[in-house]
Amino acid sequence: EIVLTQSPATLSVSPGERATLSCRASQSVSSHLAWYQQKPGQAPRLLMHDASTRAAGLPPTFSGSGSGTDFTLTISSLQSEDFAVYYCQQYHDWPLTFGGGTKVEIK
Amino acid sequence: QVELVESGGGLVKPGGALRLSCGGAGFAFSDYSINWVRQAPGKGLEWVSFINTAATTIKYAASVKGRFTISRDNAKSSVDLQMENLRVEDTALYYCARGEVAFEFWGRGTLVTVSS
Repeated sequence: EIVLTQSPATLSVSPGERATLSCRASQSVSSHLAWYQQKPGQAPRLLMHDASTRAAGLPPTFSGSGSGTDFTLTISSLQSEDFAVYYCQQYHDWPLTFGGGTKVEIK
Repeated sequence: QVELVESGGGLVKPGGALRLSCGGAGFAFSDYSINWVRQAPGKGLEWVSFINTAATTIKYAASVKGRFTISRDNAKSSVDLQMENLRVEDTALYYCARGEVAFEFWGRGTLVTVSS
Protein backbone atom coordinates (compact mmCIF):
# COMPACT_ATOMS: atom_id res chain seq x y z
CA GLU A 1 0.00 0.00 0.00
CA ILE A 2 1.26 3.49 -0.84
CA VAL A 3 1.59 5.57 2.30
CA LEU A 4 1.17 9.33 2.04
CA THR A 5 2.76 11.47 4.73
CA GLN A 6 1.59 15.05 5.06
CA SER A 7 3.53 17.77 6.84
CA PRO A 8 3.19 19.70 8.93
CA ALA A 9 0.23 18.31 10.84
CA THR A 10 -0.79 21.84 11.77
CA LEU A 11 0.18 25.07 10.03
CA SER A 12 -0.48 28.42 11.70
CA VAL A 13 -0.68 31.23 9.17
CA SER A 14 -1.86 34.82 9.25
CA PRO A 15 -4.50 35.94 6.73
CA GLY A 16 -2.85 37.19 3.55
CA GLU A 17 0.25 35.08 4.06
CA ARG A 18 1.38 32.11 1.98
CA ALA A 19 0.83 28.53 3.09
CA THR A 20 2.90 25.63 1.80
CA LEU A 21 1.66 22.08 2.47
CA SER A 22 3.69 18.97 1.76
CA CYS A 23 2.69 15.43 0.81
CA ARG A 24 5.28 12.68 0.45
CA ALA A 25 4.55 9.24 -1.00
CA SER A 26 6.28 6.03 0.10
CA GLN A 27 6.83 5.18 -3.58
CA SER A 28 6.36 6.98 -6.85
CA VAL A 29 2.79 7.88 -7.76
CA SER A 30 3.82 9.73 -10.94
CA SER A 31 1.42 12.70 -11.09
CA HIS A 32 -1.56 10.71 -9.85
CA LEU A 33 -2.23 12.88 -6.84
CA ALA A 34 -5.22 14.92 -5.73
CA TRP A 35 -5.74 17.51 -2.99
CA TYR A 36 -8.92 18.09 -1.01
CA GLN A 37 -10.11 20.74 1.42
CA GLN A 38 -12.44 19.90 4.28
CA LYS A 39 -14.13 22.40 6.57
CA PRO A 40 -15.80 21.40 9.85
CA GLY A 41 -19.12 19.65 9.32
CA GLN A 42 -18.69 19.54 5.55
CA ALA A 43 -17.75 16.92 3.00
CA PRO A 44 -14.32 17.19 1.41
CA ARG A 45 -14.00 19.27 -1.73
CA LEU A 46 -11.67 18.44 -4.61
CA LEU A 47 -9.10 21.18 -5.17
CA MET A 48 -6.50 19.67 -7.46
CA HIS A 49 -5.97 16.54 -9.52
CA ASP A 50 -3.06 15.23 -11.56
CA ALA A 51 -0.92 17.04 -8.99
CA SER A 52 -1.29 20.48 -10.54
CA THR A 53 -4.64 20.75 -12.36
CA ARG A 54 -7.07 22.99 -10.50
CA ALA A 55 -10.65 21.81 -10.11
CA ALA A 56 -13.31 23.88 -11.84
CA GLY A 57 -13.88 27.21 -10.13
CA LEU A 58 -10.83 27.07 -7.90
CA PRO A 59 -9.09 30.43 -7.71
CA PRO A 60 -5.50 30.72 -8.94
CA THR A 61 -4.36 31.45 -5.39
CA PHE A 62 -4.19 27.65 -5.10
CA SER A 63 -1.42 25.86 -6.94
CA GLY A 64 -0.08 22.32 -6.88
CA SER A 65 3.28 20.97 -7.89
CA GLY A 66 5.41 17.86 -7.76
CA SER A 67 5.66 14.40 -9.24
CA GLY A 68 7.04 11.06 -8.17
CA THR A 69 7.11 11.11 -4.39
CA ASP A 70 7.11 14.78 -3.36
CA PHE A 71 4.18 17.13 -3.78
CA THR A 72 3.26 20.61 -2.62
CA LEU A 73 0.02 22.53 -2.33
CA THR A 74 0.54 26.27 -2.09
CA ILE A 75 -2.04 28.86 -1.13
CA SER A 76 -0.48 32.15 -2.11
CA SER A 77 -2.56 34.48 0.05
CA LEU A 78 -4.74 32.92 2.70
CA GLN A 79 -8.30 34.15 2.98
CA SER A 80 -10.57 33.47 5.94
CA GLU A 81 -12.42 30.76 4.00
CA ASP A 82 -9.18 28.85 3.37
CA PHE A 83 -8.67 27.84 6.99
CA ALA A 84 -9.50 24.14 6.91
CA VAL A 85 -7.97 20.66 6.81
CA TYR A 86 -6.24 19.62 3.60
CA TYR A 87 -5.74 16.04 2.44
CA CYS A 88 -3.70 14.56 -0.37
CA GLN A 89 -4.79 11.33 -2.08
CA GLN A 90 -3.04 9.05 -4.55
CA TYR A 91 -4.73 7.16 -7.34
CA HIS A 92 -1.65 5.57 -8.85
CA ASP A 93 -2.38 2.17 -7.39
CA TRP A 94 -4.94 0.25 -5.39
CA PRO A 95 -5.81 0.67 -2.63
CA LEU A 96 -6.44 4.37 -3.03
CA THR A 97 -4.93 6.13 -0.03
CA PHE A 98 -5.10 9.48 1.71
CA GLY A 99 -2.55 11.36 3.72
CA GLY A 100 -3.27 12.13 7.35
CA GLY A 101 -4.12 15.75 6.67
CA THR A 102 -2.74 19.21 7.41
CA LYS A 103 -4.82 21.60 9.45
CA VAL A 104 -4.34 25.21 8.39
CA GLU A 105 -5.29 27.45 11.29
CA ILE A 106 -5.34 31.16 11.91
CA LYS A 107 -2.21 32.47 13.56
CA GLN B 1 -27.61 20.36 -10.02
CA VAL B 2 -25.38 17.43 -9.19
CA GLU B 3 -26.42 15.65 -6.02
CA LEU B 4 -25.30 12.55 -4.14
CA VAL B 5 -27.33 11.50 -1.14
CA GLU B 6 -26.33 8.76 1.25
CA SER B 7 -28.79 6.89 3.45
CA GLY B 8 -29.04 3.81 5.61
CA GLY B 9 -26.72 4.68 8.45
CA GLY B 10 -27.57 3.99 12.08
CA LEU B 11 -26.64 2.24 15.29
CA VAL B 12 -25.79 -1.45 15.07
CA LYS B 13 -24.20 -3.95 17.45
CA PRO B 14 -20.83 -5.54 16.74
CA GLY B 15 -21.31 -8.45 14.38
CA GLY B 16 -24.40 -6.87 12.89
CA ALA B 17 -25.15 -5.74 9.35
CA LEU B 18 -26.22 -2.55 7.62
CA ARG B 19 -26.90 -1.55 4.04
CA LEU B 20 -25.97 1.93 2.87
CA SER B 21 -27.30 3.52 -0.29
CA CYS B 22 -26.00 6.36 -2.42
CA GLY B 23 -28.46 8.01 -4.77
CA GLY B 24 -27.43 10.31 -7.56
CA ALA B 25 -29.34 13.08 -9.31
CA GLY B 26 -28.62 15.87 -11.76
CA PHE B 27 -26.15 13.91 -13.86
CA ALA B 28 -25.91 10.76 -15.98
CA PHE B 29 -25.34 8.37 -13.10
CA SER B 30 -24.46 5.41 -15.31
CA ASP B 31 -21.51 7.34 -16.79
CA TYR B 32 -19.66 7.66 -13.48
CA SER B 33 -17.72 5.41 -11.16
CA ILE B 34 -18.64 5.66 -7.49
CA ASN B 35 -16.56 5.26 -4.35
CA TRP B 36 -17.29 4.95 -0.66
CA VAL B 37 -14.98 6.87 1.65
CA ARG B 38 -15.31 6.93 5.44
CA GLN B 39 -14.16 9.18 8.21
CA ALA B 40 -14.05 8.02 11.81
CA PRO B 41 -14.96 10.69 14.37
CA GLY B 42 -12.17 13.26 14.58
CA LYS B 43 -9.99 11.31 12.16
CA GLY B 44 -8.87 11.47 8.55
CA LEU B 45 -10.30 10.04 5.36
CA GLU B 46 -10.17 6.35 4.44
CA TRP B 47 -11.14 5.00 1.04
CA VAL B 48 -13.41 1.95 1.39
CA SER B 49 -14.65 0.71 -1.98
CA PHE B 50 -14.93 1.46 -5.71
CA ILE B 51 -17.30 0.37 -8.45
CA ASN B 52 -16.99 1.37 -12.07
CA THR B 53 -19.81 2.29 -14.43
CA ALA B 54 -20.73 -1.25 -15.50
CA ALA B 55 -19.80 -2.91 -12.19
CA THR B 56 -17.09 -4.85 -13.98
CA THR B 57 -14.34 -3.46 -11.76
CA ILE B 58 -14.84 -3.55 -8.00
CA LYS B 59 -12.22 -2.82 -5.37
CA TYR B 60 -12.13 -2.88 -1.58
CA ALA B 61 -9.83 -1.68 1.16
CA ALA B 62 -8.14 -4.54 3.00
CA SER B 63 -9.91 -3.51 6.20
CA VAL B 64 -13.34 -4.31 4.74
CA LYS B 65 -12.65 -6.97 2.13
CA GLY B 66 -14.76 -10.05 2.72
CA ARG B 67 -17.20 -8.14 4.91
CA PHE B 68 -18.47 -5.34 2.64
CA THR B 69 -20.06 -5.71 -0.80
CA ILE B 70 -20.60 -2.86 -3.23
CA SER B 71 -23.19 -2.98 -6.00
CA ARG B 72 -25.01 -0.60 -8.29
CA ASP B 73 -28.31 -0.26 -10.09
CA ASN B 74 -27.93 2.28 -12.89
CA ALA B 75 -31.65 2.17 -13.65
CA LYS B 76 -32.26 3.48 -10.13
CA SER B 77 -29.17 5.72 -10.10
CA SER B 78 -27.94 4.12 -6.93
CA VAL B 79 -24.95 2.38 -5.43
CA ASP B 80 -25.28 0.21 -2.32
CA LEU B 81 -22.75 -0.87 0.26
CA GLN B 82 -23.76 -4.01 2.13
CA MET B 83 -21.80 -4.19 5.38
CA GLU B 84 -21.64 -7.46 7.32
CA ASN B 85 -19.90 -8.53 10.52
CA LEU B 86 -19.50 -4.92 11.58
CA ARG B 87 -16.80 -3.99 14.06
CA VAL B 88 -16.46 -1.10 16.48
CA GLU B 89 -13.71 0.29 14.25
CA ASP B 90 -16.17 0.59 11.34
CA THR B 91 -17.83 3.48 13.18
CA ALA B 92 -17.57 6.45 10.85
CA LEU B 93 -19.31 8.92 8.59
CA TYR B 94 -19.63 7.18 5.25
CA TYR B 95 -19.47 9.33 2.13
CA CYS B 96 -20.15 8.34 -1.43
CA ALA B 97 -17.99 10.16 -3.92
CA ARG B 98 -18.13 10.34 -7.69
CA GLY B 99 -15.02 9.79 -9.73
CA GLU B 100 -12.82 7.30 -11.51
CA VAL B 101 -9.64 8.35 -9.74
CA ALA B 102 -9.98 11.68 -7.95
CA PHE B 103 -13.25 12.25 -6.10
CA GLU B 104 -14.79 15.17 -7.90
CA PHE B 105 -18.09 15.30 -6.05
CA TRP B 106 -19.16 14.09 -2.60
CA GLY B 107 -22.38 13.51 -0.75
CA ARG B 108 -22.92 14.76 2.80
CA GLY B 109 -22.45 11.34 4.36
CA THR B 110 -24.40 8.92 6.54
CA LEU B 111 -23.27 8.01 10.05
CA VAL B 112 -22.66 4.42 11.03
CA THR B 113 -22.16 3.67 14.72
CA VAL B 114 -21.13 0.18 15.82
CA SER B 115 -21.52 -0.21 19.54
CA SER B 116 -22.87 -2.68 22.05
